[in-house]
Amino acid sequence: ETGVTQSPTHLIKTRGQQVTLRCSSQSGHNTVSWYQQALGQGPQFIFQYYREEENGRGNFPPRFSGLQFPNYSSELNVNALELDDSALYLCASSQKKLETQYFGPGTRLLVL
Amino acid sequence: AQTVTQSQPEMSVQEAETVTLSCTYDTSENNYYLFWYKQPPSRQMILVIRQEAYKQQNATENRFSVNFQKAAKSFSLKISDSQLGDTAMYFCAFMTQNNNNDMRFGAGTRLTVKP
Repeated sequence: ETGVTQSPTHLIKTRGQQVTLRCSSQSGHNTVSWYQQALGQGPQFIFQYYREEENGRGNFPPRFSGLQFPNYSSELNVNALELDDSALYLCASSQKKLETQYFGPGTRLLVL
Repeated sequence: AQTVTQSQPEMSVQEAETVTLSCTYDTSENNYYLFWYKQPPSRQMILVIRQEAYKQQNATENRFSVNFQKAAKSFSLKISDSQLGDTAMYFCAFMTQNNNNDMRFGAGTRLTVKP
């Protein structure tokens, strides 16, 4: 059974650019959630996708958007990057919406 | 507001001893789920233990157990026979059915196990 994978592992962008982060969910999981974890803090919920539709959203602006594909993999897109977007971005998958979430290793994004 | 509070930013314990990490939360919901996750320096978040609020029995998972006090909204994690590999950040989290599928995390407790 393959766990949750994320790509890339690290990324450096400049302010104003756009970025796409990718996540492959664990086999058999149809729900993917994305989190932003700033340095020294706990993760903050960005949004969740269930069967290709957004199923909940945290307090993040619309420039944070996402997609889920038929194979349940997912993308997080961030437009007009700001310095404060520098963080570890975590993806987590689960079998159902309220089941235990299993996390990927994260993507470290640095915005200069 | 639904919040999670971990009042111990850092803790340390000697190898083989027992340590308890504290967590309190605030919610008006009756049905919810509580979790402890471990994040070692490799940064991958690993599930330690899960507790359903409707279950009175405290969850246990090998050396890890919880003390769930629903009325007090307290959910502490006890690690017995601490091992060097337990060194990590520990996050308490909870999730409710009516909370936009948002899992709320505390700020974390950095645990160091000393040889």
